[in-house]
Amino acid sequence: NAGVTQTPKFRILKIGQSMTLQCTQDMNHNYMYWYRQDPGMGLKLIYYSVGAGITDKGEVPNGYNVSRSTTEDFPLRLELAAPSQTSVYFCASRWDIGSYEQYFGPGTRLTVT
Amino acid sequence: DAKTTQPTSMDCAEGRAANLPCNHSTISGNEYVYWYRQIHSQGPQYIIHGLKNNETNEMASLIITEDRKSSTLILPHATLRDTAVYYCIVRVRGFGNEKLTFGTGTRLTIIP
Repeated sequence: NAGVTQTPKFRILKIGQSMTLQCTQDMNHNYMYWYRQDPGMGLKLIYYSVGAGITDKGEVPNGYNVSRSTTEDFPLRLELAAPSQTSVYFCASRWDIGSYEQYFGPGTRLTVT
Repeated sequence: DAKTTQPTSMDCAEGRAANLPCNHSTISGNEYVYWYRQIHSQGPQYIIHGLKNNETNEMASLIITEDRKSSTLILPHATLRDTAVYYCIVRVRGFGNEKLTFGTGTRLTIIP
């Protein structure tokens, strides 16, 4: 199993541009998550999904959108990028309600200038 | 979810036991204690969790006080690869509560 994979690893955006961060898991997990981590800080939940077609907001959803058309993929869309969105973005997955462990991807480092 | 308090940083000699404390004095009866760690620039890694009994797995042991207001993560024989930020998280387990609130954690440095 590759686990949770994220692309790209690094990206630089200009203010106002948009992009999609890709996240794929091959463990057949129902639950998927997007977090952001600002320098020196803990992680904050952006959006999560409990299954294909079902998504919900986390703590900091403004400026982001998600979709979940398949079990494997959970892309995060940034519209009109702003410097405040400069961060490291982590995708994670979890099998189901009875499981405790979230598996994290390697992260995408995004800079908006 | 209950708030947690952890020391900002700790050092431990290689080969010794690393004991990382966490205070969660407002924890409620149905909240679990989870520990994750984040090695530099990588995604967080699950270590262990518990409700009220002490727990042990291949990575670590978790000791929860009888009143559940604090806990200690023990890495029995620390190695250099255990240098990381360790997060103590308290949350209710169940449908509709998916948020893992990561604070700033404890930066553990293993010294050769």
